[in-house]
Amino acid sequence: SYELTQPPSVSVSPGQTARITCSADALPKQYAYWYQQKPGQAPVLVIYKDSERPSGIPERFSGSSSGTTVTLTISGVQAEDEADYYCQSADSSGTYYVFGTGTKVTVL
Amino acid sequence: EVQLVQSGAEVKKPGESLKISCKGSGYSFTSYWIGWVRQMPGKGLEWMGIIYPGDSDTRYSPSFQGQVTISADKSISTAYLQWSSLKASDTAMYYCARRLSGSPMMDVWGKGTTVTVSS
Repeated sequence: SYELTQPPSVSVSPGQTARITCSADALPKQYAYWYQQKPGQAPVLVIYKDSERPSGIPERFSGSSSGTTVTLTISGVQAEDEADYYCQSADSSGTYYVFGTGTKVTVL
Repeated sequence: EVQLVQSGAEVKKPGESLKISCKGSGYSFTSYWIGWVRQMPGKGLEWMGIIYPGDSDTRYSPSFQGQVTISADKSISTAYLQWSSLKASDTAMYYCARRLSGSPMMDVWGKGTTVTVSS
């Protein structure tokens, strides 16, 4: 089955930059999407089509893509950004949609 | 306001059947796909499947094919996820979300329905 691989955890101090990667073979052909999930809450879309930001999402959230890896960057991290982050994409045929393994961002 | 309102928490015994719901409002329910996502306790998100309420076209993740049934009643703007015989391993939070056509993107989410299966 198709898998998207993320690091289990990322720790960052307030005001610093957090980078979360997501890797898979089909990412050069398929867009990636990023979701933020805070404890006890439903996921929220924070990046779509690799690097587009939905309305209402702070500018400190950005996305990029390079080869088989996509990256979610949070610049100037704030305490409220502490959450789990999941990438999402499709396999090369576009048939199966999957979520990444998830990354817990801890703000020190 | 675009909303997806999910049914309340359920506590069931192994072997029982269950149908949970997701009601859309504030948009054209028949013009967007609805997807279901499982999150087991302390675990990540798992994409289960999607339905297009306009014509009931349904797709399942291979991991969930045959394990659940996704359906919709467009007359009341409601999608459903059902089990015919629950197992303890079905204990999880289940989210519905609106999916935009042509991409995996889920832009609006329900608050989730907790399903607990225990003898």
